Amino acid sequence: EAGVAQSPRYKIIEKRQSVAFWCNPISGHATLYWYQQILGQGPKLLIQFQNNGVVDDSQLPKDRFSAERLKGVDSTLKIQPAKLEDSAVYLCASSFSGGALEQFFGPGTRLTVL
Amino acid sequence: LAKTTQPISMDSYEGQEVNITCSHNNIATNDYITWYQQFPSQGPRFIIQGYKTKVTNEVASLFIPADRKSSTLSLPRVSLSDTAVYYCLVGDGNTDKLIFGTGTRLQVFP
Repeated sequence: EAGVAQSPRYKIIEKRQSVAFWCNPISGHATLYWYQQILGQGPKLLIQFQNNGVVDDSQLPKDRFSAERLKGVDSTLKIQPAKLEDSAVYLCASSFSGGALEQFFGPGTRLTVL
Repeated sequence: LAKTTQPISMDSYEGQEVNITCSHNNIATNDYITWYQQFPSQGPRFIIQGYKTKVTNEVASLFIPADRKSSTLSLPRVSLSDTAVYYCLVGDGNTDKLIFGTGTRLQVFP
């Protein structure tokens, strides 16, 4: 079974630039999560989708971050404009459904904002 | 959001049992407790999940007291390959949001 795919694996940009990350979840998984993991900290949930609807985006900085999951499969997370404090690893995860089910994580995208 | 705390780091030797505790005194009533393992440059990987008492699988055991305000991940006979960061994941009782613990860096020595 193929795992969660993410791209790119690494990205370096300057502050005020824009960046987008892509995630392809495991086939058949209805729930998709985007997390931000700052170095030395645990992942922080940014947004959770159930199919193509948003379940929770309360910790997404909506003035600069946006995410979509068209057709309930792939998802993109965008930052516009980036700030220095956005430097982190962005993890995508999926699960068969929401709630208590096991989340499967992708390898993450390491973003460095200069 | 309530904080979910873990010891920052632990050291062990190969073959020993390691117990890592997570404090989550505001866990959501109906939420499970899940533990993940994370290696450098990789996403977290599921280890074990439980709701109460004790759960055991082929790699670990999870102990949860009756009040569910904490949980203990037990790794029997660790090996060098168990060197990683371990996180607990729970739902917050007030907001019902998923919160990862602060993480415990386990170093296993030969």
